Amino acid sequence: AQSVTQLDSQVPVFEEAPVELRCNYSSSVSVYLFWYVQYPNQGLQLLLKYLSGSTLVKGINGFEAEFNKSQTSFHLRKPSVHISDTAEYFCAVSGGYQKVTFGTGTKLQVIP
Amino acid sequence: GAVVSQHPSWVICKSGTSVKIECRSLDFQATTMFWYRQFPKQSLMLMATSNEGSKATYEQGVEKDKFLINHASLTLSTLTVTSAHPEDSSFYICSARIAGGPGYNEQFFGPGTRLTVL
Repeated sequence: AQSVTQLDSQVPVFEEAPVELRCNYSSSVSVYLFWYVQYPNQGLQLLLKYLSGSTLVKGINGFEAEFNKSQTSFHLRKPSVHISDTAEYFCAVSGGYQKVTFGTGTKLQVIP
Repeated sequence: GAVVSQHPSWVICKSGTSVKIECRSLDFQATTMFWYRQFPKQSLMLMATSNEGSKATYEQGVEKDKFLINHASLTLSTLTVTSAHPEDSSFYICSARIAGGPGYNEQFFGPGTRLTVL
């Protein structure tokens, strides 16, 4: 079984400030980890993914995430957010071809 | 590349009618497509896994007779909500996995379909 926990349902942050969105996972097999962004009334867009190799993964729009196996975490970070980053962010886990399990999402609200 | 479209983007229907939603992979072949449902302010819940040329696999609690899935080609899967009721109102999102792709479950998502049943 696999699961994803996103502890923060909402994260308000001022424009140009750094942000971290937390994600913890559990899985009984090797994992593949993903972060997706969803803008209102739209589908999901892949921000970044961890498959293997370097634990620091860089994605689009200046986001990065670090895979920490001992802490079973995959937190998403951005050093300086923009208004356009306001959206909902979903962490997801998959073991091979097993189905993808999504977290409950974190709404990032960037305050001007 | 790896673009997935959905049609329609939104639909309003009367209670008791059926609604068909299409999911197409535009620039790749997808042996497997997935259908998700997203309620307001909630995460995506997998409804079913659709495999080209075979019956869909439904998640526990999803009525297969109500949510009919057909995956007749490598680029098209359809979800039909039969005898829709107001509680079926939701945001339906499909995704597709590239045929012969790498050994992990990276999915490409469609833009979603907003269904409102009056």
